[in-house]
Amino acid sequence: GIQVEQSPPDLILQEGANSTLRCNFSDSVNNLQWFHQNPWGQLINLFYIPSGTKQNGRLSATTVATERYSLLYISSSQTTDSGVYFCAVLYNFNKFYFGSGTKLNVKP
Amino acid sequence: DGGITQSPKYLFRKEGQNVTLSCEQNLNHDAMYWYRQDPGQGLRLIYYSQIVNDFQKGDIAEGYSVSREKKESFPLTVTSAQKNPTAFYLCASSAAGTGSRGEQYFGPGTRLTVT
Repeated sequence: GIQVEQSPPDLILQEGANSTLRCNFSDSVNNLQWFHQNPWGQLINLFYIPSGTKQNGRLSATTVATERYSLLYISSSQTTDSGVYFCAVLYNFNKFYFGSGTKLNVKP
Repeated sequence: DGGITQSPKYLFRKEGQNVTLSCEQNLNHDAMYWYRQDPGQGLRLIYYSQIVNDFQKGDIAEGYSVSREKKESFPLTVTSAQKNPTAFYLCASSAAGTGSRGEQYFGPGTRLTVT
C-alpha cells in the first residue's frame, strides 16, 4: 500500500490565529482530498486537490504532487474550525488511504 | 437533494448477533466504500465496490460481508465473527470507476455498540 502521514497530530490555537497542516504520502497518487470531521462525526469535503492550489474563503490548500505532500492553510481561525482534519489519497485508481488526522482545538 | 444516507444513526446489539448497516446514495456514483473508525483514529477501509455485482476486500474485511445488487445501495453486515465490532462506520461513494479519479463523499455514519 501507501503511507499517508499527517502532522501535527494535535494543534491548539487561539481564535484568530493562522495554521498550516501537512500531509505527506509515500508514492504517486491519483487524487488527494482534505476533509473536516465535525464533532458529530460527519466528514465534510474541503478540497479535492490532486495538484496545484485552491482557496475557499479562509481555507486554502496546496498539493505538490512531484514532492508528495499537501498543505492545508487555515487563516483567522474560528471556534467552529475545531475538529479533526484528514487527508485522503486515491492510490492505483481504486483504494483511498487516509492519514491519521490532525486534531484542531480553537479556543475563544 | 443528492447525497448519501446511512441508517440507523445508532445501533445496539448483543454479542453473537449479525447486524446489517444500510447505505444508500442518489448521486449516481459507480463506486461505494465502507470504512471503520475507532475512537481517536483514522479511517480504515473494510470493503469497496466499483460496479454493481462486484466488490473487493479492503484492509480489514475479516468478520464483515457486503453486497452490491443495486447501484444505489451497498449494505454492510457485521457478523458474529468480527472480534471487536463496536465502532463508527462510515459509507462513502465516488464517481470513480476503474481508471477514474472521482471525489469521494461521505454519509453521516452509524455508531454500532455491541455488548
